[in-house]
Amino acid sequence: QKEVEQNSGPLSVPEGAIASLNCTYSDRGSQSFFWYRQYSGKSPELIMFIYSNGDKEDGRFTAQLNKASQYVSLLIRDSQPSDSATYLCAVRNTGNQFYFGTGTSLTVIP
Amino acid sequence: DTEVTQTPKHLVMGMTNKKSLKCEQHMGHRAMYWYKQKAKKPPELMFVYSYEKLSINESVPSRFSPECPNSSLLNLHLHALQPEDSALYLCASSQEGQGPNEQFFGPGTRLTVL
Repeated sequence: QKEVEQNSGPLSVPEGAIASLNCTYSDRGSQSFFWYRQYSGKSPELIMFIYSNGDKEDGRFTAQLNKASQYVSLLIRDSQPSDSATYLCAVRNTGNQFYFGTGTSLTVIP
Repeated sequence: DTEVTQTPKHLVMGMTNKKSLKCEQHMGHRAMYWYKQKAKKPPELMFVYSYEKLSINESVPSRFSPECPNSSLLNLHLHALQPEDSALYLCASSQEGQGPNEQFFGPGTRLTVL
């Protein structure tokens, strides 16, 4: 069983704060790691991917990967009400299988 | 263009009906996927096609039958479904081979089985 775990939340942060989302995975053979945002009733939208240890920044978003600890995180700086959504962590193995965490519900309070 | 299209957007069918879901991408991706997503749950992988060949079937019941007519198209044929099969069905595509191979999703088909 390839497990991907996330805190289900809900996570609430005030507007302008930093939101921190965490994800752990069990398969050490995992190759690439993804963060998706999903609004209610919509399909997942890719925010970022990372495949090397360290940090990767894109605008207000920073993904962090630590393969030794099997840990991936997403930081959202200057959170906006429009960031309110469910955030899904996904992990891809060598066989093109993607496994999703259960998602973390984020609410940004104006 | 990072668009994956799916038709129809909504589908209501009876348990004796036969219907098909369609998915199309023009990004040159050689891997295509079907997922099922229930409310407040993550997407569950159903099938993976790689270079138009079925490479992964996650023990999906035979009432779901996938088909990949060419590298841009993916179908999911539905027959004798159960009410518990009601869900959002998502198609996705990605590159194949080395690299992150990020996956892009279509908007989904909302299926209701009566």
